[in-house]
Amino acid sequence: DAKTTQPNSMESNEEEPVHLPCNHSTISGTDYIHWYRQLPSQGPEYVIHGLTSNVNNRMASLAIAEDRKSSTLILHRATLRDAAVYYCIPLDNAGNMLTFGGGTRLMVKP
Amino acid sequence: NAGVTQTPKFQVLKTGQSMTLQCAQDMNHNSMYWYRQDPGMGLRLIYYSASEGTTDKGEVPNGYNVSRLNKREFSLRLESAAPSQTSVYFCASSEWTRHQETQYFGPGTRLLVL
Repeated sequence: DAKTTQPNSMESNEEEPVHLPCNHSTISGTDYIHWYRQLPSQGPEYVIHGLTSNVNNRMASLAIAEDRKSSTLILHRATLRDAAVYYCIPLDNAGNMLTFGGGTRLMVKP
Repeated sequence: NAGVTQTPKFQVLKTGQSMTLQCAQDMNHNSMYWYRQDPGMGLRLIYYSASEGTTDKGEVPNGYNVSRLNKREFSLRLESAAPSQTSVYFCASSEWTRHQETQYFGPGTRLLVL
């Protein structure tokens, strides 16, 4: 399994964009990059995933480096509800086992 | 759709007692999972079921058993609870989206073993 490195915590102001980085230098060519988040006292929820191209959905954008050794989850306008732990998870096409590391705790200030 | 539901929400057990955590999903998903999350930690997979009638061990299966009762329901049983099993337990089910599996989690069961 590819190892990931994420900052333990980050802070953002409300209504500002947030860029959450993830290093996954040992990722294989077939690993997708998944992002989940966990709001306080709730189960994790899927945010987005991608392979090579940048991806957008209603929750966020995912920017993947050309060498795929890192990616960045972008929240375009942070809200207080976005305060959560964000997990970056490489996942191969053959497996379906999510491995949750420490993640990044995002704090959003009003 | 209720999504993934779990019962109970909270439970306190004494060491040695047994209990079953219930999980149900109404999304017609084939795969279901049980995770535990200890304070300040990420989730760890206990057991999973790729389809009705099959179950497999995850990363931390010792002390647990599971039953995939039907496509909707996947239960987790602690036969003899130990304080080390104090944790928050999450059930999940999954579907395939753009060639990848996306998991949907329940709200969790908070278990305290004294």
